[in-house]
Amino acid sequence: SQQGEEDPQALSIQEGENATMNCSYKTSINNLQWYRQNSGRGLVHLILIRSNEREKHSGRLRVTLDTSKKSSSLLITASRAADTASYFCPRSSNTGNQFYFGTGTSLTVIP
Amino acid sequence: GAGVSQSPSNKVTEKGKDVELRCDPISGHTALYWYRQSLGQGLEFLIYFQGNSAPDKSGLPSDRFSAERTGGSVSTLTIQRTQQEDSAVYLCASSLGGNLYNEQFFGPGTRLTVL
Repeated sequence: SQQGEEDPQALSIQEGENATMNCSYKTSINNLQWYRQNSGRGLVHLILIRSNEREKHSGRLRVTLDTSKKSSSLLITASRAADTASYFCPRSSNTGNQFYFGTGTSLTVIP
Repeated sequence: GAGVSQSPSNKVTEKGKDVELRCDPISGHTALYWYRQSLGQGLEFLIYFQGNSAPDKSGLPSDRFSAERTGGSVSTLTIQRTQQEDSAVYLCASSLGGNLYNEQFFGPGTRLTVL
């Protein structure tokens, strides 16, 4: 499979705690993106990390990439109830035409 | 400007009928994608348009599915002779270009229910 596979499938934490979710992939990549989806509707782009980058920050988000292990992680610090959503890490095909989505990590932040 | 819009937001149809789903991408975005998402599942790639190039239709599940993009802007996804397994949320996304680094902007989706 060329999909980004998110892990865990589901995660439940208390508000204020940090949330960590992981993504693994099987083939080489040029970049990896993280998206959030609320209520089964449209997705929102969170962050993109390129294959020559190891870590990237955006607000409360921290993304790491380990190309030797073919894995990435997304850390959300000081979580809020509004962070409750599904998180995806699609991987683009080599041609850039297609993005392969897994089933995502369903995060629940309990107020 | 405005984001990606899709219409209708919800569509209920009877098995065997044809449906058309519309996507208005962000102005200036040359790349447009259609995805399908069944309940509790990830996104399934359907089709990709990039400028005037021939579309990548490799994700279309059957010949009942087709899509057009007129004038490099609005796109219509048509499902003929709908089946119950076609019930899903159909998502459209656009991006500035089809290279490997452009983020995709998603519309709110069309929830299709086939009775």
